[in-house]
Amino acid sequence: QITLKESGPTLVEPTQTLTLTCTFSDFSLTTGGVGVGWIRQPPGKALEWVADIYWNGEINYGPSLRSRLTITKDTSKNQVVLTMTNVDPVDTGTYYCAHRRVHRGLDYWGQGTLVTVSS
Amino acid sequence: DIQMTQSPSTLSAFVGDRVTITCRASQSFSDWLAWYQQKPGRAPKLLISKASTLEVGVPSRFSGSGSGTEFTLTISSLQPDDFATYYCQQYTTYPWTFGQGTKVEIK
Repeated sequence: QITLKESGPTLVEPTQTLTLTCTFSDFSLTTGGVGVGWIRQPPGKALEWVADIYWNGEINYGPSLRSRLTITKDTSKNQVVLTMTNVDPVDTGTYYCAHRRVHRGLDYWGQGTLVTVSS
Repeated sequence: DIQMTQSPSTLSAFVGDRVTITCRASQSFSDWLAWYQQKPGRAPKLLISKASTLEVGVPSRFSGSGSGTEFTLTISSLQPDDFATYYCQQYTTYPWTFGQGTKVEIK
């Protein structure tokens, strides 16, 4: 059973750097066609795709966030790490990581982690 | 970016009703479209990929159709467990984009 779990700080001060880790099991990011994405959701609002990374090293970022994001994978630890610099209160929300295989939607999701940006 | 617009934003229906949610895209694309169900405080659940392919374990009362700029999610007979918010998402072109959501409420 594929599982993913997000971890990281619940509170971050404006202008600081946010680091979120997605730890997963029962799949490998060395398997062809497999990727892990990050999606966020401000309180009471819609989902927003943030970034993703694939088995072959392909990386994609949301254009409005690209300058502040870095996504990396550690296949030995089964982890994907998302780093967001210079956070702002508008970055407050629940951050999810999710598994996908090429040609399909995001089929397995973590439980999400709520991040609040506030001083 | 491809903008995805869902209608209606909110839908009130009775158990047993047939319900249709529409997702319109600002640009035409084939069928790389997914539908998700989200309940309060929970992660989204993938219902349909490739516009009409039902995920394993999803009840057959859910169905998807469409191509080009208009896609639909239909629930043939609404059940109590179906009251939730539904999102469409295109994954044909980066950045992937979601619709704003359709909340299905009990009437």
